[in-house]
Amino acid sequence: GQNIDQPTEMTATEGAIVQINCTYQTSGFNGLFWYQQHAGEAPTFLSYNVLDGLEEKGRFSSFLSRSKGYSYLLLKELQMKDSASYLCAVMDSNYQLIWGAGTKLIIKP
Amino acid sequence: GAVVSQHPSRVICKSGTSVKIECRSLDFQATTMFWYRQFPKKSLMLMATSNEGSKATYEQGVEKDKFLINHASLTLSTLTVTSAHPEDSSFYICSARDTGTSGGSYNEQFFGPGTRLTVL
Repeated sequence: GQNIDQPTEMTATEGAIVQINCTYQTSGFNGLFWYQQHAGEAPTFLSYNVLDGLEEKGRFSSFLSRSKGYSYLLLKELQMKDSASYLCAVMDSNYQLIWGAGTKLIIKP
Repeated sequence: GAVVSQHPSRVICKSGTSVKIECRSLDFQATTMFWYRQFPKKSLMLMATSNEGSKATYEQGVEKDKFLINHASLTLSTLTVTSAHPEDSSFYICSARDTGTSGGSYNEQFFGPGTRLTVL
């Protein structure tokens, strides 16, 4: 079966750094996405990785290791507005997104 | 980036009525649109894949006669919840995949803002 695992909830302090991990087992791989979702809103795109390595975009970076079926989202200089759920999703061989359950990130002052 | 709109953003209806939700890609053509529902504190659940000009593909456990999907044009897909019941109350989100030239080279899905459905 297809499976995406990520922690249910994480807590971090404003100004700090947090890493959200995601492991996956899917039938085929056409890229891994990270989305941010604030309560009551639709997901917004953060990053896309299809090759191994680190993609940096401002305060957010995403890493992928295809051989390990592993990715992480790194958030630096945390701000209160970063409090949200972070969804990991893998595009399988049929170009369908397989979604993780999301990680709720709580930022404390 | 590409923009997807959804209408209405919020709807409250009586049990037994039907509700139509529209999903539009505003600045790109989308041959494929996706309909999701999301319960509180849960992840997105794919309901169906909507293909322009053909029948939608429903996920297992989703009643196609209850959730009618029409994708009549390259920029519009509709989801109609027929004979709605309180258990249909949820957050419905559509997304569209840009298969054209406006930036979706890696098959990114662009999400609409969602529709909050409450059935009394």
